[in-house]
Amino acid sequence: KNQVEQSPQSLIILEGKNCTLQCNYTVSPFSNLRWYKQDTGRGPVSLTIMTFSENTKSNGRYTATLDADTKQSSLHITASQLSDSASYICVVSPSNDYKLSFGAGTTVTVRA
Amino acid sequence: EPEVTQTPSHQVTQMGQEVILRCVPISNHLYFYWYRQILGQKVEFLVSFYNNEISEKSEIFDDQFSVERPDGSNFTLKIRSTKLEDSAMYFCASSEVSDTEAFFGQGTRLTVV
Repeated sequence: KNQVEQSPQSLIILEGKNCTLQCNYTVSPFSNLRWYKQDTGRGPVSLTIMTFSENTKSNGRYTATLDADTKQSSLHITASQLSDSASYICVVSPSNDYKLSFGAGTTVTVRA
Repeated sequence: EPEVTQTPSHQVTQMGQEVILRCVPISNHLYFYWYRQILGQKVEFLVSFYNNEISEKSEIFDDQFSVERPDGSNFTLKIRSTKLEDSAMYFCASSEVSDTEAFFGQGTRLTVV
């Protein structure tokens, strides 16, 4: 069964600090890996999308990395802001069907 | 910037009633999806739709559910005879092709009482 596991489940950081979120997946074969940001009660918004051949992708203060050999990805948030408080979801797209496999998300709380 | 729009934002319905959730995907997108998220749980795939037919569906998407693209712009999810456990946030998404970034709507919060 295709699975996406994220850690930690939640974390609290001070404004201006950095943090790194982890994602492990078993989806295979896989086409691409995405990180989404979801504010409470809103739809997910795409941050990055990486194919299996890409190692890193940045979007402003967000940098995602991918190791397709170990099936691990990380999302690094630099110089966090209060508006970064949200759930960050790792999503893996299999190459043989249309279903996206979602992780449970990491809830990030940024405090002043 | 183009976006996926969903209506209504919140729907309350009595158990056993039928509901229709509406979505307007981004205009040049060809692939459409419905997902749901039960409060506190992860987002779950329901169905994908391409070329006026279902291309894939999950085990959640049983005979109670149906999707339709009644005209060139709308994409609807119908839930017949709603149950309490259907209460969730329902997200519509669309993508240009199957393997590219999916854009999500803001969701419809369905509450079955």
